[in-house]
Amino acid sequence: EVVVTQSPVTLSVSPGEGATLFCRASQSVSSNFAWYQQKPGRAPRLLIYGASTGAPGVPARFSGSGSGTEFTLTISSLQSEDFAIYYCQQYNSWPLTFGGGTKVEIK
Amino acid sequence: EVQLVESGGGLVQPGGSLRLSCVASGFTFSDSAMTWLRQAPGKGPEWVSFISASSGTTFYAESAKGRFTISRDNSKNSLYLQMNSLRAEDTAIYYCATPRDVPNVFDYWGQGTLVAVSS
Repeated sequence: EVVVTQSPVTLSVSPGEGATLFCRASQSVSSNFAWYQQKPGRAPRLLIYGASTGAPGVPARFSGSGSGTEFTLTISSLQSEDFAIYYCQQYNSWPLTFGGGTKVEIK
Repeated sequence: EVQLVESGGGLVQPGGSLRLSCVASGFTFSDSAMTWLRQAPGKGPEWVSFISASSGTTFYAESAKGRFTISRDNSKNSLYLQMNSLRAEDTAIYYCATPRDVPNVFDYWGQGTLVAVSS
């Protein structure tokens, strides 16, 4: 099983600042990697797939990079609606696995 | 508009059973692989089970093997998860989900149904 580890657990950011979130996979997953945003009481929302491709309707301030075992989600300038929990997921092999999440909170 | 609506959750005693349902609309259900995921309180999502469009292929997480059964009825645009021998650690919100076009990337999720296993 591919273990996905997210860091940091919590990130405190002021509105308008940028944020960088990290994920590490325990073995190479190529570019078969996705990022999701989740707000309280809602299902996760797909942001990025293929490590760097934005899902339809996702603002350009969200970008993803990486391949193999190291991945990054960057939010260029946080808006109020971006404060949420972010999860990453590998879909290179079964079982599909998710990271434990990074909570982006208002500083 | 794609819609996935889960139902069937509730409070059940350890060792009990539940059958979850997910009704789909807004896309060609019979062409789409479907997946159940769950999310325990305060935790990240966890993949539970997968079924191909034709039901010919199914996969289960280790935590679900031997206890859960995924199935579908394409004539009813419906996905099911039969859960037996439920344990406290199965307590979670259960979501059905499906990709838009990349396999196992979940563009579409239901609102979830809560399963609570407690005596």
